[in-house]
Amino acid sequence: NAGVMQNPRHLVRRRGQEARLRCSPMKGHSHVYWYRQLPEEGLKFMVYLQKENIIDESGMPKERFSAEFPKEGPSILRIQQVVRGDSAAYFCASSPQPGGNTGELFFGEGSRLTVL
Amino acid sequence: AQKITQTQPGMFVQEKEAVTLDCTYDTSDPSYGLFWYKQPSSGEMIFLIYQGSYDQQNATEGRYSLNFQKARKSANLVISASQLGDSAMYFCAMREGPGNSGYALNFGKGTSLLVTP
Repeated sequence: NAGVMQNPRHLVRRRGQEARLRCSPMKGHSHVYWYRQLPEEGLKFMVYLQKENIIDESGMPKERFSAEFPKEGPSILRIQQVVRGDSAAYFCASSPQPGGNTGELFFGEGSRLTVL
Repeated sequence: AQKITQTQPGMFVQEKEAVTLDCTYDTSDPSYGLFWYKQPSSGEMIFLIYQGSYDQQNATEGRYSLNFQKARKSANLVISASQLGDSAMYFCAMREGPGNSGYALNFGKGTSLLVTP
């Protein structure tokens, strides 16, 4: 019974390169959330997606960041032209349709991006 | 404005003792949920306990209990009989709106708990 799967677990990029982070939600879950955690900080909401739709991207920077959750395949968080400040842990979480009884989010183990 | 405030950056507790981690929240929505997550050094986020705004009783899950004081807008986590494996970061989070709304969780900055022998 696989949980939320994120890959890669660790990613190193040089400034100006692109980073792609993937997230496969738990089976039966159609809501996906991306969070960013900077060192010594809590998790900050970035974007909430359902299949083929972005529901809320209020926490995502307007430039260089994009997210998708296609009909088939994992959700992708894409960061173009990475800068050192993008170094962080990126967590994906999922919840079942229509959100379960509590709205609990099930988290993946995170993808740690390091920008050199 | 901060939705979730955790005022204790770090806490120490001796093994087998109880510890309370503080969390206050701010919302005008009558329907909301409060969560605690644990993040050990390995980095994953582990769900611990949930309290709904309309729940009459404080939530309990094994050694974890949530001291929910609605009028004070506080949702403190109590860990009884601390174990060395409880050493981790602990995050309080809130969902505004009903559980099936799909709204994202807002997280506090966390409290680092160290359990000593």
